[in-house]
Amino acid sequence: AQSVAQPEDQVNVAEGNPLTVKCTYSVSGNPYLFWYVQYPNRGLQFLLKYITGDNLVKGSYGFEAEFNKSQTSFHLKKPSALVSDSALYFCAVRALSLGGSYIPTFGRGTSLIVHP
Amino acid sequence: GAGVSQSPSNKVTEKGKDVELRCDPISGHTALYWYRQSLGQGLEFLIYFQGNSAPDKSGLPSDRFSAERTGGSVSTLTIQRTQQEDSAVYLCASSRSGFQETQYFGPGTRLLVL
Repeated sequence: AQSVAQPEDQVNVAEGNPLTVKCTYSVSGNPYLFWYVQYPNRGLQFLLKYITGDNLVKGSYGFEAEFNKSQTSFHLKKPSALVSDSALYFCAVRALSLGGSYIPTFGRGTSLIVHP
Repeated sequence: GAGVSQSPSNKVTEKGKDVELRCDPISGHTALYWYRQSLGQGLEFLIYFQGNSAPDKSGLPSDRFSAERTGGSVSTLTIQRTQQEDSAVYLCASSRSGFQETQYFGPGTRLLVL
């Protein structure tokens, strides 16, 4: 079965500390992996994606993610968290719908709370 | 350029009424997606339009839900005989082509069925 999992509902980190938001996936074939962020009362915004190439992907707002094929993971990281990073983060992976289309399929989301 | 827009931003309706939700994608984007986001849940795929191809409706939860996309642009999601469990935020996204492309999301329509 093709799926994406975000094992943590919530991540708490102090401002200035490094943060990690975890994502693991299960797909057949090449994974296409994405991270999106949702600020309160707003739509999702693209952060970064991995399609092919370097395993370390750099994205918006200082975020990066590392594609790890052996661990089937695509964890989101940032060296120094800001209070303004507090938001809901979604990992997505290409998956096959019941209708036979490849569509982005999203995890349940992880709430990141950065404390001052 | 303009992003994805959705209307209305909020909709309160009574159980049993029909509602229409509108999505204006980014001009030139051939792919359009509808998702539903319920409290504490992830994004639930509803329907996918790609160019002139037949839409992938496999995510629609019941036959009360339908969607169309006119002229390869604007899309309308219709929910007939609304139920309280339909209450959620309905998100629309578009992308230049298929799944490998970045999706651009609208702000969503928050639907409350009383």
